[in-house]
Amino acid sequence: EVQLVESGGGLVQPGGSLRLSCAASGFTFSSHWMSWVRQAPGKGLEWVANINQDGSEVDCVDSLKGRFTISRDNPKNSLHLQMNSLTPDDTAMYYCARGSGSSWYGYWGQGTLVIVSS
Amino acid sequence: SYVLIQSPSVSVAPGQTARITCGGNNIGSKSVHWYQQKAGQAPVVVVYHDSDRPSGIPERFSGSNSGDTATLTISRVEAGDEADYYCQVWDSNTDHPVFGGGTKLTVL
Repeated sequence: EVQLVESGGGLVQPGGSLRLSCAASGFTFSSHWMSWVRQAPGKGLEWVANINQDGSEVDCVDSLKGRFTISRDNPKNSLHLQMNSLTPDDTAMYYCARGSGSSWYGYWGQGTLVIVSS
Repeated sequence: SYVLIQSPSVSVAPGQTARITCGGNNIGSKSVHWYQQKAGQAPVVVVYHDSDRPSGIPERFSGSNSGDTATLTISRVEAGDEADYYCQVWDSNTDHPVFGGGTKLTVL
């Protein structure tokens, strides 16, 4: 059974940093693109970033480039999102999802909540 | 960048048919995927590649895509279908996925 379990969310002050993780199991992690998708409270889904199978190709929504970095550790079957210089606008549920978004996202984690507030 | 437009809300009585639309410039040339998100849960794909259904999704869920509009149709709506629905495509100009703003389906 495919499982994606996010962790690392929490309350952080504006200007702070947070590193999210997604533990993958039930499939060959190193064979799949992975993505982060976020959802602000009461708002819609927003693609954040994706990464290819070996981590050599990464991409991020333009508005977050320079602050957010996606990475992966294939031996540990884990996906990460390093978030720096956080602002209240980054407050959201962050989901990891299997795939790049070029096709459909068939598997999602349950999400980890990030709250940026003083 | 490519924009997908969804009506904010759709209301339908149980047993009736709900149609949720997703508008985009020549969206008919793209592959559209639809997600259902119930309150407090992660999204779940209900239709992919315009009209294909994943295993476990009832036949009541169907999709179509032509011209500037893609449509998710839910037949014989049940109370359990109440959720937010999002369309998604791949923007080949930016090589980024794009989501519609979402439609809240209310079952009266």
